[in-house]
Amino acid sequence: EAGVAQSPRYKIIEKRQSVAFWCNPISGHATLYWYQQILGQGPKLLIQFQNNGVVDDSQLPKDRFSAERLKGVDSTLKIQPAKLEDSAVYLCASSGRTSGGTSEQYFGPGTRLTVT
Amino acid sequence: GENVEQHPSTLSVQEGDSAVIKCTYSDSASNYFPWYKQELGKRPQLIIDIRSNVGEKKDQRIAVTLNKTAKHFSLHITETQPEDSAVYFCAATNSNSGYALNFGKGTSLLVTP
Repeated sequence: EAGVAQSPRYKIIEKRQSVAFWCNPISGHATLYWYQQILGQGPKLLIQFQNNGVVDDSQLPKDRFSAERLKGVDSTLKIQPAKLEDSAVYLCASSGRTSGGTSEQYFGPGTRLTVT
Repeated sequence: GENVEQHPSTLSVQEGDSAVIKCTYSDSASNYFPWYKQELGKRPQLIIDIRSNVGEKKDQRIAVTLNKTAKHFSLHITETQPEDSAVYFCAATNSNSGYALNFGKGTSLLVTP
């Protein structure tokens, strides 16, 4: 099966500019996650969707970050305006329910954002 | 919320030796513990996971152990090979959080020939 797709792979912007990332999850996966991975750290959850509804966005800096998952498939994550500290890799992951009840997550290749 | 601590941050072993990475978690509700391997510039890849109803799981050279009482779990890699060199992340989660992963800070493993 095809994996999680993300674009663009790399993006360089100046601070205060805006940027958008796109994610296409594995077909049939109802749950979609966006994580932020700062260099040298583990990924940190930004937002989680179940179909097209938000499950958890408690760690999303809502004054500058927004995300949507229209029609419960693709998702976009936007930053406006960007700050230097937003430089990171933005990872999208998706999961589907397993027979054991838990959900393995599969990650996309990520978008590496550099804010100058 | 869940807090996952991971040790060591770096680990260097000779090829053929074993490597052990340890993690602790804080939320007793956590019941799913995956381990991811991330090579430089690549996506995290799930290598093994364990659920709270199991104490140990093995897959060829990789094994994971879980001690629910002490709230810690460990990754064991035997007969290490240079291609095992990567950053390894542990994570903990549960259904209450929709299985959103709480990651440790990672362990950079270097296997030297």
